[in-house]
This record gives sequence, structure tokens and C-alpha cells, in this order.
Amino acid sequence: GQQLNQSPQSMFIQEGEDVSMNCTSSSIFNTWLWYKQEPGEGPVLLIALYKAGELTSNGRLTAQFGITRKDSFLNISASIPSDVGIYFCAGFNAGNNRKLIWGLGTSLAVNP
Amino acid sequence: SAVISQKPSRDICQRGTSLTIQCQVDSQVTMMFWYRQQPGQSLTLIATANQGSEATYESGFVIDKFPISRPNLTFSTLTVSNMSPEDSSIYLCSVQKETGAVGYTFGSGTRLTVV
Repeated sequence: GQQLNQSPQSMFIQEGEDVSMNCTSSSIFNTWLWYKQEPGEGPVLLIALYKAGELTSNGRLTAQFGITRKDSFLNISASIPSDVGIYFCAGFNAGNNRKLIWGLGTSLAVNP
Repeated sequence: SAVISQKPSRDICQRGTSLTIQCQVDSQVTMMFWYRQQPGQSLTLIATANQGSEATYESGFVIDKFPISRPNLTFSTLTVSNMSPEDSSIYLCSVQKETGAVGYTFGSGTRLTVV
């Protein structure tokens, strides 16, 4: 099935650094979602985006819905050890609002 | 958001056997889904559990292998039948509380190892 192109696949950074990851699609999306999954847990919703150009923050996290509606990015500022996990983008494309399409994930490791 | 209790959290099973995974939600929800997450991979939708009727399966998944029940608006089960080592994965229950609600809430998953 369709999947989103998510990059980078993995990141290893120092505590305090900023992080940026993005997702792209070949088709237009109506909604972009960013999830975080920690070991042994299910994904937890971080940020939801609903319209092109929208910029939304949740604490140190900021995400944007791309103008073309085919991409989104997530930034984490001043990373801390508890930011460790796998970050997934997901969304509903314009042709199917009932099935969530997922990225392959970005694995983040933070060195204290 | 809804609170999901998924059981068992993990299991090790013999090939050829079946395992039933339970998903209990603390409130009524409109949509319930079952996902599979293979090691180091993203999430793949298995099926949508429909209350009072047969589940809607995604391409590559069939009812004989993954029978699903949803007797009411707060509970669903997924059975992994006639297991083989290739079925070793994390199985996740997910719900959408109301139509149009933001995103989906996930259970903590069932880590299945087939030996």
C-alpha cells in the first residue's frame, strides 16, 4: 500500500541540539499527523495539522503542513534524553479520508 | 482521549497454534482498528473492526488468518491463526473515538514471538 517518504531514517544527536525531520508524498494530503513511539508502547499523537501552511507547536515541538499539501516537517528544539523514540508521520490523503497512511519512521537517539 | 487496555502485552507461541488478542476501551468509540508492526518497521493496517458485522480487511490480510470480533462499541479481539515465525510482530489496537476526531489512539501493543 501507499507509504509516505520520511527522512532521515535515523538520527543520533547530542542533548541540547535541535532536530528536524520531514515527510513527503506524491499525492495531496488533507491532514498530517506526527506520532512518537517509545519502546514497548503504541504510538502517541504529538501534533495534528489540518490546512496548508499551518504551523503548530506543542512545547518544544513544532510541525508545519506544507503549502503544496504534499509534505510536512517536525522540529524538536533543545533535545533532551526523553525525546528518544521513533517518530512517525501519518496522514489522510485527499482521495481517502478513512485510511491513515504512515511514514516509515525516524529513529531518534539522544546522547546525554 | 480514550484509554485502551490491550492483552496480552507479550507472548511466545508455538507454530501452528493460535493467539487471541483483546482490546478493551474505557468508553464507546466509533472506529476500532488492528495494526501489525513488524520489527523495525512502520505500521500496517490489518483490518477495521466493525461492530455487529464482519471486519473490513486490507489487501494481503484475510479473515481465515486474522479473524476479528467486535461485539460492542468498547471491545474487540484479533486472533492470529495457525501461526508461523513470519507472524512474529507487534499487534496494535487503535481507536477513533468519534467521527472526525483528531488522529487515532493506540494501545500499548502485543509483542508476539512465534517459535
